[in-house]
Amino acid sequence: AQKVTQAQTEISVVEKEDVTLDCVYETRDTTYYLFWYKQPPSGELVFLIRRNSFDEQNEISGRYSWNFQKSTSSFNFTITASQVVDSAVYFCALSEYGYSTLTFGKGTMLLVSP
Amino acid sequence: DTGVSQDPRHKITKRGQNVTFRCDPISEHNRLYWYRQTLGQGPEFLTYFQNEAQLEKSRLLSDRFSAERPKGSFSTLEIQRTEQGDSAMYLCASSLDETEAFFGQGTRLTVV
Repeated sequence: AQKVTQAQTEISVVEKEDVTLDCVYETRDTTYYLFWYKQPPSGELVFLIRRNSFDEQNEISGRYSWNFQKSTSSFNFTITASQVVDSAVYFCALSEYGYSTLTFGKGTMLLVSP
Repeated sequence: DTGVSQDPRHKITKRGQNVTFRCDPISEHNRLYWYRQTLGQGPEFLTYFQNEAQLEKSRLLSDRFSAERPKGSFSTLEIQRTEQGDSAMYLCASSLDETEAFFGQGTRLTVV
């Protein structure tokens, strides 16, 4: 069975601070995909990134970066110089290779205040 | 095409009534998914279509729930004899094969 744990329920930061959102996953598969989605108050889940289990290279996209560590089954997400517009609920998710369905964590609510 | 579209955005219904939601996926996407999200939780998978074939259903999908995707285009999700426990956000997503799924804004159902 697959499981995704986001232990941080809510994080509050002040604008321009860096913040890291943690994600730990469990799967018996050797091949799988990991995802991060952002859910702003409007409700739509916005795709941020997909990584496959063979690619442990860290990725940076603007102020966003992701740290994938297979040894600790973690896929953490860092926002550098946070902005008020980053306020949202962030979900980490997992899918088995060859399958499309996602197993989501419970999400981390990020509040960035001015 | 601007993305996945869901209708209605909000639905309030009385317990025992039937409701139907519609999802229009991104036009070239062959896969369509339904998820349910309750307050403070992540989305939970309900069912998935590849073209018009319903390939997988979660145990969460009771007999009161039915989904269709005629002609492999839009999809409908019907809930019969709604219960208060059905109150949730119903999210639709689509993807091209196994690529990343893109989600709609959801339909928020309130059963009173």
